Amino acid sequence: DGGITQSPKYLFRKEGQNVTLSCEQNLNHDAMYWYRQDPGQGLRLIYYSQIVNDFQKGDIAEGYSVSREKKESFPLTVTSAQKNPTAFYLCASSITLQQVAFFGQGTRLTVV
Amino acid sequence: EDQVTQSPEALRLQEGESSSLNCSYTVSGLRGLFWYRQDPGKGPEFLFTLYSAGEEKEKERLKATLTKKESFLHITAPKPEDSATYLCAVQASGATNKLIFGTGTLLAVQP
Repeated sequence: DGGITQSPKYLFRKEGQNVTLSCEQNLNHDAMYWYRQDPGQGLRLIYYSQIVNDFQKGDIAEGYSVSREKKESFPLTVTSAQKNPTAFYLCASSITLQQVAFFGQGTRLTVV
Repeated sequence: EDQVTQSPEALRLQEGESSSLNCSYTVSGLRGLFWYRQDPGKGPEFLFTLYSAGEEKEKERLKATLTKKESFLHITAPKPEDSATYLCAVQASGATNKLIFGTGTLLAVQP
């Protein structure tokens, strides 16, 4: 089945640690995105990638980093510089930036 | 500034009681408006894309409409399984074409 797979579903991080969230898609989509979802707020864009080996900052990129070495994969690293990392993280992909985005099932990150 | 506002924040309906959710937007140039459904702890599920005023899309008990300033998601004779958060997003014309999301409407349909 084609789709977007995010792992893990739940992730716990100690303060001061970096963690990496995985996102893999087998839809042959060129564009991929990372969003953050907090209660009472709309989804906010962290980073997006239009094509392999290229990515751009979104609205809240500080404290995050990404890579796009393969078309299928767009991992997100939450660094220790992110002051409030506890949130629900959503990965999405689309054929191009102009097309509808489809989402994965999310990773819930909690800082302990 | 591009902005999306959804109302109401929460809506409780009896099974079979039809209603509408609202998504109003201000954007410099609309490329598209998207409706998603999100169940608790899950990622958003795509429902509809609307591109121009007057356009309508339907899927089962849901119908989405679009004007120059807002979109409505009409729910006809809802069932308990329609309970979810409904998200609206707009895509503005421009270099990034990013999605701007509203905060959603939490719909609860009681049997």
